[in-house]
Amino acid sequence: KAGVTQTPRYLIKTRGQQVTLSCSPISGHRSVSWYQQTPGQGLQFLFEYFSETQRNKGNFPGRFSGRQFSNSRSEMNVSTLELGDSALYLCASSLGGPEQFFGPGTRLTVL
Amino acid sequence: EDQVTQSPEALRLQEGESSSLNCSYTVSGLRGLFWYRQDPGKGPEFLFTLYSAGEEKEKERLKATLTKKESFLHITAPKPEDSATYLCAVLVEGNKLVFGAGTILRVKS
Repeated sequence: KAGVTQTPRYLIKTRGQQVTLSCSPISGHRSVSWYQQTPGQGLQFLFEYFSETQRNKGNFPGRFSGRQFSNSRSEMNVSTLELGDSALYLCASSLGGPEQFFGPGTRLTVL
Repeated sequence: EDQVTQSPEALRLQEGESSSLNCSYTVSGLRGLFWYRQDPGKGPEFLFTLYSAGEEKEKERLKATLTKKESFLHITAPKPEDSATYLCAVLVEGNKLVFGAGTILRVKS
């Protein structure tokens, strides 16, 4: 069974730009969660989507948004990028229950 | 506020030298405690889920235990390939994982 896939794996942007990251969950999984990982703050929850609806949201500004499609694939968008948005963005999928399986992440660098 | 604290921050072991990692938590509405392993440049890899105090899970050289306020990850006779960052997380209301900062484990041969 294929795992969670994320694209692109690496991305370099400049301040003020926007970026869209993509996540394909494990086949059959309907829940997709997004996390930001930085050396200073560790792993922090961004939001969760289930059946195309945002079910939960973390404490991030409105510049961070997401969506989920009918095939459960999810995208995350960050607008007006700041230097502090440089991080590893991780996607995790689950059947809807507690166990979440992570993808390899997208490394975003903001210059 | 939900909080997860892991100790030590870093641990260096000789191959075969057993030890334990600690994860203490203060949360409301614990729905499960998870251990993940993360290698550099990769996403966390799921290891264990524990749901209730007294529960234990084992996998190869790793054994996870849970009490009402903390969890331990015991590593028996570690090998260099066990070197990684070990992350503890608790699942709270909102299906949200709250992570600790992790313990960086280095096993030298």
